[in-house]
Amino acid sequence: QVQLQESGPGLVKPSETLSLTCAVSGYSITSGYNWGWIRQPPGKGLEWIGSIYHSGSTYYNPSLNSRVTISVDTSKNQFSLKLSSVTAADTAVYYCARLATSGAAAGSYDYWGQGTLVTVSS
Amino acid sequence: EIVLTQSPGTLSLSPGERATLSCRASQSVSSTYLAWYQQKPGQAPRLLIYGASSRATGIPDRFSGSGSGTDFTLTISRLEPEDFAVYYCQQYGSSPPVTFGQGTRLEIK
Repeated sequence: QVQLQESGPGLVKPSETLSLTCAVSGYSITSGYNWGWIRQPPGKGLEWIGSIYHSGSTYYNPSLNSRVTISVDTSKNQFSLKLSSVTAADTAVYYCARLATSGAAAGSYDYWGQGTLVTVSS
Repeated sequence: EIVLTQSPGTLSLSPGERATLSCRASQSVSSTYLAWYQQKPGQAPRLLIYGASSRATGIPDRFSGSGSGTDFTLTISRLEPEDFAVYYCQQYGSSPPVTFGQGTRLEIK
């Protein structure tokens, strides 16, 4: 059973860097798939932040591109998100998820973490 | 960037009724890469439909997806109480690789 679990600080100060990690169990990140971050501000819809392929290639939302870094730690079977210079607008539930890039379900997020609320406030 | 516009924003129906949710893309989307998700309060989204019309594992057959090009539809044939939630469409492939619609809230009338 594939499971994803987000972890990281629930409170970040404005102008600082938000750092989250997604631990993956039940599947090796290096075996394939695309691993992504999606966020949801309170009461709003889903916003794609970016993703990293098992090959290490990264893709980011252009609206966040200059502030986002996604990386993978294969030794721990986890991937991470860093979002710099945060403001109150970055307050959201942050989800990590697995996206199939081949096969019948290609292009869809089939496994999600439970999400973690990050509040930006001084 | 492909923009996905969902309609209506809110749909009020009663259990047993049929729900039809729309997702319109600003440019043509490959049917292979159009998905639908259900999200309940306090939960992560759950994959319902992939490839525009294929049900994900464990999804009841009252859920169906259709469409191609720029117009896609999620239909729930007979609403059950547990179906009242927010639904999102999502596309994959064009730069940026992933975009979501703004969601349709399905509420009990």
